[in-house]
Amino acid sequence: SQQGEEDPQALSIQEGENATMNCSYKTSINNLQWYRQNSGRGLVHLILIRSNEREKHSGRLRVTLDTSKKSSSLLITASRAADTASYFCVTSGTYKYIFGTGTRLKVLA
Amino acid sequence: DVKVTQSSRYLVKRTGEKVFLECVQDMDHENMFWYRQDPGLGLRLIYFSYDVKMKEKGDIPEGYSVSREKKERFSLILESASTNQTSMYLCASSRPQTLSETQYFGPGTRLLVL
Repeated sequence: SQQGEEDPQALSIQEGENATMNCSYKTSINNLQWYRQNSGRGLVHLILIRSNEREKHSGRLRVTLDTSKKSSSLLITASRAADTASYFCVTSGTYKYIFGTGTRLKVLA
Repeated sequence: DVKVTQSSRYLVKRTGEKVFLECVQDMDHENMFWYRQDPGLGLRLIYFSYDVKMKEKGDIPEGYSVSREKKERFSLILESASTNQTSMYLCASSRPQTLSETQYFGPGTRLLVL
């Protein structure tokens, strides 16, 4: 089944550094979303990028999308301890949303 | 503030028991979803509903059923719980994708089946 795969699976950085995580997917998409999940809780929507967009910004978040390579990246700048979470890329088909397996980010104070 | 609530945060049940997980959303969303989340497997869709009394199987419906009698409530039923259904269960809701693609999630129910 179509599924996003995040890379790396886990990432540990110091507070203030930038964190980059990548996502690859298998089929054509209309848009791609990134969600965050804090320590085993529900997911929160972060940002959506449409297939005709190449880059999008939201606060300290920067998302890029390369539809020719079927890949996306999420950059978190000037990371904080509160950014410690798992991050998922999500693509959508008719009614359904396809989640990747996630990147676990740990930001050390 | 949008809200999706789930009836329990933690639940312990015995093998063979019938288990009900309730989800309520206050956003008048048409779509509702049930996922399970397991380490290394990400989120997998169990069932979804795009309208009252409508339901569609997701990727892993076996051993589960659902009920949507009212627009705001979507229930997941484990007819006879088994140990391999120990997992984190997440409910979500959304508007039709033609209007908005964002899903809103509840806090999750961590189910342990002994």
